[in-house]
Amino acid sequence: NAGVTQTPKFRVLKTGQSMTLLCAQDMNHEYMYWYRQDPGMGLRLIHYSVGEGTTAKGEVPDGYNVSRLKKQNFLLGLESAAPSQTSVYFCASRQGQVDSPLHFGNGTRLTVT
Amino acid sequence: KQEVTQIPAALSVPEGENLVLNCSFTDSAIYNLQWFRQDPGKGLTSLLLIQSSQREQTSGRLNASLDKSSGRSTLYIAASQPGDSATYLCAVKAGANNLFFGTGTRLTVIP
Repeated sequence: NAGVTQTPKFRVLKTGQSMTLLCAQDMNHEYMYWYRQDPGMGLRLIHYSVGEGTTAKGEVPDGYNVSRLKKQNFLLGLESAAPSQTSVYFCASRQGQVDSPLHFGNGTRLTVT
Repeated sequence: KQEVTQIPAALSVPEGENLVLNCSFTDSAIYNLQWFRQDPGKGLTSLLLIQSSQREQTSGRLNASLDKSSGRSTLYIAASQPGDSATYLCAVKAGANNLFFGTGTRLTVIP
């Protein structure tokens, strides 16, 4: 099993450009999450999904949109990138039980100039 | 808002030592607490998950404890090895769909 796969691994954008980060999981997990990790700060939740066709806002949702059209995929979009969105983005997924552990992808390093 | 603190931010120990990593949190109303390992350029790997009703969990050379009332958890690593070098993060689950993460302790085990 590949687990949680994120593409791309690296990306550089200019301010105002748009892009979509793709997360795919092959574990049939119901729940999927997007986090960002910044130096000196813990991971912060951007958006999450509790099942196909559903999405919800996390702690820092502004400037991002998400979609979960298929159970195995969770897309994170930046419509107009800003330098403050320079970060490492992690996708995670888990089963439906409340105490099931999170499985993380290897991250996407995004730089906005 | 739940705040999670990990001290120290970095730790170096010689191979073979036993060590303890600390995690504290401000709100004791949690579902569970997880310890993760993160290697450079990689994602997080779940090491141990302690439910709110439990006091500790063990996996191999790792033992995690939870004292919910005092808002503390420790990760004990026995007989440390160079391969244990990584950043260790703790995270508390305070809602159905959010984990609050600490900033991690970067561990270096010196051969």
